[in-house]
Amino acid sequence: SQTIHQWPATLVQPVGSPLSLECTVEGTSNPNLYWYRQAAGRGLQLLFYSVGIGQISSEVPQNLSASRPQDRQFILSSKKLLLSDSGFYLCAWTYRGRLAGGPSYGHTDTQYFGPGTRLTVL
Amino acid sequence: EDQVTQSPEALRLQEGESSSLNCSYTVSGLRGLFWYRQDPGKGPEFLFTLYSAGEEKEKERLKATLTKKESFLHITAPKPEDSATYLCAVQAGNDYKLSFGAGTTVTVRA
Repeated sequence: SQTIHQWPATLVQPVGSPLSLECTVEGTSNPNLYWYRQAAGRGLQLLFYSVGIGQISSEVPQNLSASRPQDRQFILSSKKLLLSDSGFYLCAWTYRGRLAGGPSYGHTDTQYFGPGTRLTVL
Repeated sequence: EDQVTQSPEALRLQEGESSSLNCSYTVSGLRGLFWYRQDPGKGPEFLFTLYSAGEEKEKERLKATLTKKESFLHITAPKPEDSATYLCAVQAGNDYKLSFGAGTTVTVRA
């Protein structure tokens, strides 16, 4: 079965400090990977998604960046954190479905989420 | 732009009191509508995917239905363990992305 991990679980950082959040998926190959941010009382906001190693698409202009150095590893980074970066960060994966040139599975587009990282910027 | 609106924002139920949550959406060419359950401080847990109007899916006390404009999540005879935030999301035709609603927070009292 597939498992998705995120760490750290919680993080408190001062404004202007760097950030690195990590997400790894086990039990599948060539997944599509996603980073979301969830603010209190609001829906999930898609930040980045990736259909393969080194392939990153950004959805929202900001001081965050993402990288995918390995097939099942997705990293969210920042050089200098802002107060507004506080929130709950979620990583998700889907099977590499036909939209990405892969084979077609039964539920290729269902996104499965990790446990999340609670980031507080002070 | 895809839009997803969930109502009500919050729902307080007595144990055994059945109710429904609504998810209204506008999307160009629906590829799928998804329901998730999210407990405080945790990631969303997948419940259902619905692909076409008229489709229904059930899991324990939950039943999801889909029309061309909205989806309902029915909770039958809820228990306190059904307390959570329920999220709805839609995916358009040739798109990798999901658009999420803000969620409905359900509290079930014993």
